[in-house]
Amino acid sequence: RKEVEQDPGPFNVPEGATVAFNCTYSNSASQSFFWYRQDCRKEPKLLMSVYSSGNEDGRFTAQLNRASQYISLLIRDSKLSDSATYLCVVNGKNYGGATNKLIFGTGTLLAVQP
Amino acid sequence: DAGVTQSPTHLIKTRGQQVTLRCSPKSGHDTVSWYQQALGQGPQFIFQYYEEEERQRGNFPDRFSGHQFPNYSSELNVNALLLGDSALYLCASSLAVEYSGANVLTFGAGSRLTVL
Repeated sequence: RKEVEQDPGPFNVPEGATVAFNCTYSNSASQSFFWYRQDCRKEPKLLMSVYSSGNEDGRFTAQLNRASQYISLLIRDSKLSDSATYLCVVNGKNYGGATNKLIFGTGTLLAVQP
Repeated sequence: DAGVTQSPTHLIKTRGQQVTLRCSPKSGHDTVSWYQQALGQGPQFIFQYYEEEERQRGNFPDRFSGHQFPNYSSELNVNALLLGDSALYLCASSLAVEYSGANVLTFGAGSRLTVL
């Protein structure tokens, strides 16, 4: 079983639609959770951290359910510029490292259509 | 902009050759991590360098090695290249913290390696 699992998509949605991405993780000891965005042939960039209480940043809402080991990302009022791959990320076990390594899912491809 | 810089951006090698990729971390960062991203996959952790030592390592063979210099820059070396080593190699820098909490990584644009 993969440590972080996501539906690879693609998700094809019209502009203005609401779209939800889901992710599950296997390591119950994980402490930090993120969504990264990656544009085609570019590097991943942090979209937002995910907290148990849920957090919102404009049109983006992230939720964490520790009991179910489940993370979600909701995008409201989709824009063409939201088209990208969305990567679910959790921190891996720290074997004495300076900072935690990150475990990435395979990513979910979103294509927003005009 | 003192972000993470990587070189070269693209390179082509043949099987059996060796390659060295370079990374300069974001200004103020002292930790460098390397990730491999194959086509259609998420990045996979290779290893991490801090204080010029390898601190953590992912599931990669010994053909993958690295180094960190006193100025915090880093190199990734891959020996005896295989076709399967073709990927985007990402360098990410961060600032070491005592508590292993939510540390933010800054990624470079990557080095795209093609092995023929």
